[in-house]
Amino acid sequence: GQQLNQSPQSMFIQEGEDVSMNCTSSSIFNTWLWYKQEPGEGPVLLIALYKAGELTSNGRLTAQFGITRKDSFLNISASIPSDVGIYFCAGQGAQKLVFGQGTRLTINP
Amino acid sequence: GAVVSQHPSRVICKSGTSVKIECRSLDFQATTMFWYRQFPKQSLMLMATSNEGSKATYEQGVEKDKFLINHASLTLSTLTVTSAHPEDSSFYICSARKSPGHIMNTEAFFGQGTRLTVV
Repeated sequence: GQQLNQSPQSMFIQEGEDVSMNCTSSSIFNTWLWYKQEPGEGPVLLIALYKAGELTSNGRLTAQFGITRKDSFLNISASIPSDVGIYFCAGQGAQKLVFGQGTRLTINP
Repeated sequence: GAVVSQHPSRVICKSGTSVKIECRSLDFQATTMFWYRQFPKQSLMLMATSNEGSKATYEQGVEKDKFLINHASLTLSTLTVTSAHPEDSSFYICSARKSPGHIMNTEAFFGQGTRLTVV
């Protein structure tokens, strides 16, 4: 079945540093989504990407949809304590979302 | 906006009883809703896809008689965990996709999740 490989699995950074995480797939997706999940909560949509090569920003977050439609990255600039959480990429298939394994972000103040 | 409300957020039940979890799309119509299960420190695992007015489609390995799904309206889907056992304890999350015709109809919006503990 379709799988997404997300890396890194975890990150420990200092406040103020930039963060980069990415997802790759063996299959093509027409839509890539990035979500953030905090403990005990459902995922919250951060950025949606619809076109190959598309680069989209949401505040300090920037995500790109790879030109091959098989990969995407998410960057967070100048991290702050509230960025802590688990970030998931997701590829939208014909009917279902396929999720990456998640990247757990920890920030040291 | 696109708000999905899930209720309850936490529930503790006795082994052998049934628990119903509701998922509502508050400000949009959702022909399709999804139910996920999430184990600690893991990703979301799709359990079933729920289409309004028709039977749910279950993923391989998910018992349809144990996890009953009803999607009776465009704004409400329910998941009932029947005869719950301690191994059913988990975090259950629903999501809803906007109906065709919406600009962002491919995006799925998630509820807050339900922490089920079976004792």
